[in-house]
Amino acid sequence: GAGVSQTPSNKVTEKGKYVELRCDPISGHTALYWYRQSLGQGPEFLIYFQGTGAADDSGLPNDRFFAVRPEGSVSTLKIQRTERGDSAVYLCASSFGTGNTEAFFGQGTRLTVV
Amino acid sequence: QKEVEQNSGPLSVPEGAIASLNCTYSDRGSQSFFWYRQYSGKSPELIMFIYSNGDKEDGRFTAQLNKASQYVSLLIRDSQPSDSATYLCAVNRVGRLAFGKGNQVVVIP
Repeated sequence: GAGVSQTPSNKVTEKGKYVELRCDPISGHTALYWYRQSLGQGPEFLIYFQGTGAADDSGLPNDRFFAVRPEGSVSTLKIQRTERGDSAVYLCASSFGTGNTEAFFGQGTRLTVV
Repeated sequence: QKEVEQNSGPLSVPEGAIASLNCTYSDRGSQSFFWYRQYSGKSPELIMFIYSNGDKEDGRFTAQLNKASQYVSLLIRDSQPSDSATYLCAVNRVGRLAFGKGNQVVVIP
């Protein structure tokens, strides 16, 4: 596609429920990043993939968060037992590689846990 | 110490003036540096990147990098009301981008 696509754009879920957020990167981009952003803050790194493997998952806050990219393209961020503190905008970005390459963001998924 | 720091508060500039934003980073081994613009309710949009010491100009935007002092700055010349946004500094650190919290710029007509 022309840009990074994230679905859904908005998600409201009850505390304790499981959610999946999807990211479809720019075609040909091998690196894919997940961030979350709270109001008034910069994007907070969660995880990034180079191809199918998670190259750095040091930003995942706890074991309730997990992400996959089984075929090196689409990625899914999975959150178990959601908590109200998980409410944020979840951003996905992709780039041709890591290092000196520019990353482009999708429009984000606004997650609200009630 | 935060990986990327943007400490200035909201910046108000008159239309046509120069807006100057600064960012410092902690990892001396960082290789590439980016400025993103984020309008309220929207996702970050890449506006500039710089890899080498010195200045890089693109239209009304100039990025400046000083690796010895570990800072990167962004100048916006002839500021326009459409430049009103939050500007995020990002540093490539071992393959991932680390972001500052951003600086809000308000251009006053």
